[in-house]
Amino acid sequence: GAGVSQSPSNKVTEKGKDVELRCDPISGHTALYWYRQRLGQGLEFLIYFQGNSAPDKSGLPSDRFSAERTGESVSTLTIQRTQQEDSAVYLCASSQTSGLAEEQYFGPGTRLTVT
Amino acid sequence: AQKITQTQPGMFVQEKEAVTLDCTYDTSDPSYGLFWYKQPSSGEMIFLIYQGSYDQQNATEGRYSLNFQKARKSANLVISASQLGDSAMYFCAMREGSDFYGGSQGNLIFGKGTKLSVKP
Repeated sequence: GAGVSQSPSNKVTEKGKDVELRCDPISGHTALYWYRQRLGQGLEFLIYFQGNSAPDKSGLPSDRFSAERTGESVSTLTIQRTQQEDSAVYLCASSQTSGLAEEQYFGPGTRLTVT
Repeated sequence: AQKITQTQPGMFVQEKEAVTLDCTYDTSDPSYGLFWYKQPSSGEMIFLIYQGSYDQQNATEGRYSLNFQKARKSANLVISASQLGDSAMYFCAMREGSDFYGGSQGNLIFGKGTKLSVKP
């Protein structure tokens, strides 16, 4: 079946503009995660959605970052007033449940460049 | 404090030889899971292997095995018979548990990664 998809694959924006990044998880996956990967670094957790529960926003770096998810489908990560330090690859992942042993399936990422 | 530590920024291995990538972790949860992911230059994240904190035996998946030493809080990845296609970044990650029934706190906590280069 189809994997996790993300759009756009690349985004170049000017400092101060808002951007929206989209993630389509695998159908039937109740859990959805956003991570950020700066160049040459590991992945940093941003936000996690599980079913209809309130999202875990503990990884969001500032109030310029927000995310929404409609039911158990598409999620949008919004970055307002972008800064150069926001330049990174934003990765979305989904898993069938949030169980301890559940593998997370990652999308190809959106490469964001803030000029 | 770092929850996942990968002390080898880069490693070289000769093709067909085995290589060990180090990972130590820090948690006070009795229930946790450890994962290894591979990230080739194309950027995709590929799941390799999983070890649960209560698993009695070390996990194995084909050429990958996980050397789990719970008392030392280490979860090293061993790749046997290295191939040129194994050249990539390798990330160790942990998910902490939320209960004794297999629930979790959701997100993975990643290390900084090790870049493995396989020489022909």
